[in-house]
Amino acid sequence: SQQGEEDPQALSIQEGENATMNCSYKTSINNLQWYRQNSGRGLVHLILIRSNEREKHSGRLRVTLDTSKKSSSLLITASRAADTASYFCATDAASGGYNKLIFGAGTRLAVHP
Amino acid sequence: GAVVSQHPSRVICKSGTSVKIECRSLDFQATTMFWYRQFPKKSLMLMATSNEGSKATYEQGVEKDKFLINHASLTLSTLTVTSAHPEDSSFYICSALRGPGETQYFGPGTRLLVL
Repeated sequence: SQQGEEDPQALSIQEGENATMNCSYKTSINNLQWYRQNSGRGLVHLILIRSNEREKHSGRLRVTLDTSKKSSSLLITASRAADTASYFCATDAASGGYNKLIFGAGTRLAVHP
Repeated sequence: GAVVSQHPSRVICKSGTSVKIECRSLDFQATTMFWYRQFPKKSLMLMATSNEGSKATYEQGVEKDKFLINHASLTLSTLTVTSAHPEDSSFYICSALRGPGETQYFGPGTRLLVL
């Protein structure tokens, strides 16, 4: 079942602008992860933030986590056309030790040259 | 890095036939593998969790007899779509987990089209 809701569903920006995507979830989590998917391809892991962390950086990516609001945001700075993809948040709903991931609906990002 | 492969990448089959999709972890042993299904422009829906040497755990609403999962070794899990119908057409993605609490590594996906 889907846990995460993401907004916006679609985002269209110009190269050089920043892109912010938000994710909300419903239950307690161990960690939250962000993935990227190019059209018709597999998923690429971007960043993992643990429940006891509030912010994490990786290159042009910045992820925040607010467990009190059960929400996270992904910021891509200085966007490039190559950043065009769908971005998904996924929460680790550890159940029975299997570390299941529950994915949000995703944000389709289009970066125009 | 950890690499997961899927085979085939695309498959077209006739209604009523069975299709087997393989998921392999190429450079690590996976304690657990997961199978997801994705419809166009939609998110990934977890179908089942597969552990080596034991029966798969299916998510609610996923038919066990329809989607047979076998996890025969620590590097290979297979998903067989039995008696495929056009509504089974979808993008199937697997992932592999090296150990509890670790990141899942995803395969490139298999696009299934049932005619």
